[in-house]
Amino acid sequence: DAKTTQPPSMDCAEGRAANLPCNHSTISGNEYVYWYRQIHSQGPQYIIHGLKNNETNEMASLIITEDRKSSTLILPHATLRDTAVYYCIVRVVENSGGSNYKLTFGKGTLLTVNP
Amino acid sequence: SQTIHQWPATLVQPVGSPLSLECTVEGTSNPNLYWYRQAAGRGLQLLFYSVGIGQISSEVPQNLSASRPQDRQFILSSKKLLLSDSGFYLCAWSVRQRMVLGGYTFGSGTRLTVV
Repeated sequence: DAKTTQPPSMDCAEGRAANLPCNHSTISGNEYVYWYRQIHSQGPQYIIHGLKNNETNEMASLIITEDRKSSTLILPHATLRDTAVYYCIVRVVENSGGSNYKLTFGKGTLLTVNP
Repeated sequence: SQTIHQWPATLVQPVGSPLSLECTVEGTSNPNLYWYRQAAGRGLQLLFYSVGIGQISSEVPQNLSASRPQDRQFILSSKKLLLSDSGFYLCAWSVRQRMVLGGYTFGSGTRLTVV
């Protein structure tokens, strides 16, 4: 799986948009970009995923650059409850074997939403 | 709807004692199952994954073992706990054939302290 690079921490004011960057310059054509977040002392929570088109759901938007070498997770109106570690993961989703089902987490970005 | 149950939520065990953590999934069949560990201040480490009953793959050598006696049951065990086994243990599941749809769902975790 392609390696990702994220800033270790970011701050955001409550009510403002939080834009979390992720670099994945070695991503392959069949690898998806996934975002998860982990609130303190809880299990990670799936947020969104995409291949090459921008995606939006009730939690966030995912913007993937045209060359797919980077992406940005956008929380449009951050709240205090959005304070968490955000993980960007890229991986292939083929069904050719058990090892392709593994999800490898990096260190992520600690987003702190301030009042 | 699918749910994942993990227990106990917290556990304090003496060094050298045995361990058994259980995880069950409801509302789905033939899931892929995973055990992760998060040591204090560190990232998520995949310990074991299973693509079927009795099929266990270990990611890292350690003092732990895993078993899958039933399709939707995943157990993490140790015969003799070490201090280094302390951490936050998370169980997760994914749809076997179509992982791209939503990725993983994590349980609420077990915080294990070995004393």
